[in-house]
This record gives sequence, structure tokens and C-alpha cells, in this order.
Amino acid sequence: AQKITQTQPGMFVQEKEAVTLDCTYDTSDPSYGLFWYKQPSSGEMIFLIYQGSYDQQNATEGRYSLNFQKARKSANLVISASQLGDSAMYFCARSGSARQLTFGSGTQLTVLP
Amino acid sequence: GAVVSQHPSRVICKSGTSVKIECRSLDFQATTMFWYRQFPKKSLMLMATSNEGSKATYEQGVEKDKFLINHASLTLSTLTVTSAHPEDSSFYICSAREGTGIGSEAFFGQGTRLTVV
Repeated sequence: AQKITQTQPGMFVQEKEAVTLDCTYDTSDPSYGLFWYKQPSSGEMIFLIYQGSYDQQNATEGRYSLNFQKARKSANLVISASQLGDSAMYFCARSGSARQLTFGSGTQLTVLP
Repeated sequence: GAVVSQHPSRVICKSGTSVKIECRSLDFQATTMFWYRQFPKKSLMLMATSNEGSKATYEQGVEKDKFLINHASLTLSTLTVTSAHPEDSSFYICSAREGTGIGSEAFFGQGTRLTVV
């Protein structure tokens, strides 16, 4: 199976600090996409950021940036200037030849005041 | 951005009854929708791919007779949990992607929290 691995079940960060959430993936697809979603306790899935496998530059969206290292097959999410509202579950996901997204196991982030 | 609406958001049903969950794409046509199941603090597990006008494709281990999927139009897919039992209690969430490219964004419904008593 082409897995998505998130090795951090839980992370804590101090408010206003930056935090990195890890994600590594397996794939045999020549081109693929990597997504990060935020899931607060309400359950909704909020799209954060996308990186295409052939994109030359790392994606950024406001306080979110993606540290994409293709050779290492990693796509870590960096959240800068953490806010209390960032406390949530974060999922890394991959798209490829199949249309569905494959998700990692998630990281529960808690931002401390 | 595109919106996917899922209804109901919460449902409690008695063991042995059936529950229907609707997933609608509000401003785009979705030839394919995806149904996921999520246990507390766990990942989203793909149950099935819903294809407009044809049979759904189920993932290994998912009982197609228990989880009936109908995708009768380009904007509506339904998941019916038949003869529900307490072990079917879970969070169910649907998704649709606008476009076919690898970078096309996946939009999610609000999810349905099913409790079978």
C-alpha cells in the first residue's frame, strides 16, 4: 500500500511560536499532489495548502508553508506564529493516479497560551 | 470556493434500523464522490467511491450490502447504513473533487456523526 506517515500523534507549541508537523509518503505515481487539512473538534475538514510533485517552489499560504523534500518523500507543514485557534487535528494527504485522497494518521496539535 | 453539503450532521438511531446520509455538491458537478469513515482521533478511511450513473466501488473489507451508495445525479450521492448496529457508530464524511487533475481541491461535507443505540 502506498502509505502516508505522520509520526507525531500529538504536538504542543507555545502561542506565537512556529511548529513543524511531519509527513512522509510512499508513491509510485510519476506525478502526485500533497495536501494538508485541518480538522477542528467540529469535524469539518479545512483545506490549508497544496504542493504538486513538479512544483519548483515550496507552497506557502499565509502562516502555512510546506517544506517539500521530494528526494526524501517528505512534505512537512510549518505553521508560523501559532494561534490558540490552530489547536486541531492535522492531516497530510496525497493524490495520484487514483482520484481519492489517501490520508495519514493525523497529528493533534495543541497551542498553549 | 466550491461547497459540499452533507446532511444530517448528527443522527441517533435504534439498532436494526437504516439511516440515509446525503452529500450534495452545491455549485459544481461531481461525477465522483468519496465516502470516508473516521473513528475518534483516527484517520479518514476510504469506504467507497461513488460514481454517477454506475455502481460504487467499495474498498476491501467494506460490506456493500450494509453500506448502500447511490449516485443518481451529478450533485447528489447518498450513503445508507442498513440494519445499523452499535459498531456502525462513527463519523462519516463525504468528499468531492472539482476537476480531475492531481491538484484539484477536495471539498468535504460537514460530516455525519452516527450513533446507533
